[in-house]
Amino acid sequence: GESVGLHLPTLSVQEGDNSIINCAYSNSASDYFIWYKQESGKGPQFIIDIRSNMDKRQGQRVTVLLNKTVKHLSLQIAATQPGDSAVYFCAEMNPGNKLTFGGGTRVLVKP
Amino acid sequence: KAGVTQTPRYLIKTRGQQVTLSCSPISGHRSVSWYQQTPGQGLQFLFEYFSETQRNKGNFPGRFSGRQFSNSRSEMNVSTLELGDSALYLCASSLAPLGRVVGPQHFGDGTRLSIL
Repeated sequence: GESVGLHLPTLSVQEGDNSIINCAYSNSASDYFIWYKQESGKGPQFIIDIRSNMDKRQGQRVTVLLNKTVKHLSLQIAATQPGDSAVYFCAEMNPGNKLTFGGGTRVLVKP
Repeated sequence: KAGVTQTPRYLIKTRGQQVTLSCSPISGHRSVSWYQQTPGQGLQFLFEYFSETQRNKGNFPGRFSGRQFSNSRSEMNVSTLELGDSALYLCASSLAPLGRVVGPQHFGDGTRLSIL
């Protein structure tokens, strides 16, 4: 299978602070990107998506930024809450019509 | 609206056996994809079905196969199980085939397969 990394970086955030999760994607021709949140024992849950013709998209408490020049994607969570503790994955849709996932970032919210 | 449903939630098998996992997509969704998730390799794409046809396949051996029925429900089969097949198998559905961007995939909670 396609390798997506062995280590899971962790972001520790104080409750109420803003979180920024970063993702470097691999294919400059990818045209659609998604952020997912996965809690323990559950499947990935859709958070927000963005197409390559945009550089920013906002949702409820979340913002996704896309920088195609450096193939970088970020997810900003405003006023982080304990319920935001989870593993976050970015995913890219490449020209082969496969969704490729990043290795994930664990977010721990401290009360 | 019910989400993606996967059965069973947990399964224990021994090496050499075969297993079938089931996925019911969100009502109206015609694309179903399967993924394998392990701590070491992360989330890896297995295959995608749309209108009962396999549209895309990841880099997995032929022991991994699937099918989709006319009601969009899908099954995944793994034959001659190996210890390394222990993983969380996730199913995701979407309205349109992958590559036609009309919305994201929505995941089920997976089947945890353990091989002894």
